Amino acid sequence: KAGVTQTPRYLIKTRGQQVTLSCSPISGHRSVSWYQQTPGQGLQFLFEYFSETQRNKGNFPGRFSGRQFSNSRSEMNVSTLELGDSALYLCASSIQGVELFFGEGSRLTVL
Amino acid sequence: KQEVTQIPAALSVPEGENLVLNCSFTDSAIYNLQWFRQDPGKGLTSLLLIQSSQREQTSGRLNASLDKSSGRSTLYIAASQPGDSATYLCAVANSGYSTLTFGKGTMLLVSP
Repeated sequence: KAGVTQTPRYLIKTRGQQVTLSCSPISGHRSVSWYQQTPGQGLQFLFEYFSETQRNKGNFPGRFSGRQFSNSRSEMNVSTLELGDSALYLCASSIQGVELFFGEGSRLTVL
Repeated sequence: KQEVTQIPAALSVPEGENLVLNCSFTDSAIYNLQWFRQDPGKGLTSLLLIQSSQREQTSGRLNASLDKSSGRSTLYIAASQPGDSATYLCAVANSGYSTLTFGKGTMLLVSP
């Protein structure tokens, strides 16, 4: 059974650019959530989608957005990148939001 | 606001030792608690999930306990091995909506 797949795994952007990250959940999982991991703040919740609807959102600025498609795949977008957005972005999927299974992450570096 | 604390922040032990990692949380009204493992530069691997109605869960050499009233969970690793070296993260859910609050983790090094 395939796990959670995140693409791209690594990317480098410059300040002011935007970035889109993709997440394919485990087959049959309808909940997808996103987390940001930095050395200083640790893991922080970004948002969660279930059946194409955002159910919950963390305390991040509006530059961070996401969506979920009918096949449960999800994307998150960060606009007007700042140096502080450099982080490992982790996607997790679950059947109903209970037990989470994480992907390998997308490591974003903003120069 | 839920806060999760993990002690110790780092731990170095020789192979074969039994060890305990601690996790505490401020809001006892939790939905569940999950322990994860993270290898350097990698994603999170789920180790154990404890529902709020449960007291403990076991998987192989791992045993996790939960005491909601005191806001504590422990992860017990028996007969540690060098392959257990990783960062161990505790995460608490206050609802069933995938919103986890994480501790900062315990970095474990097991020496041969």
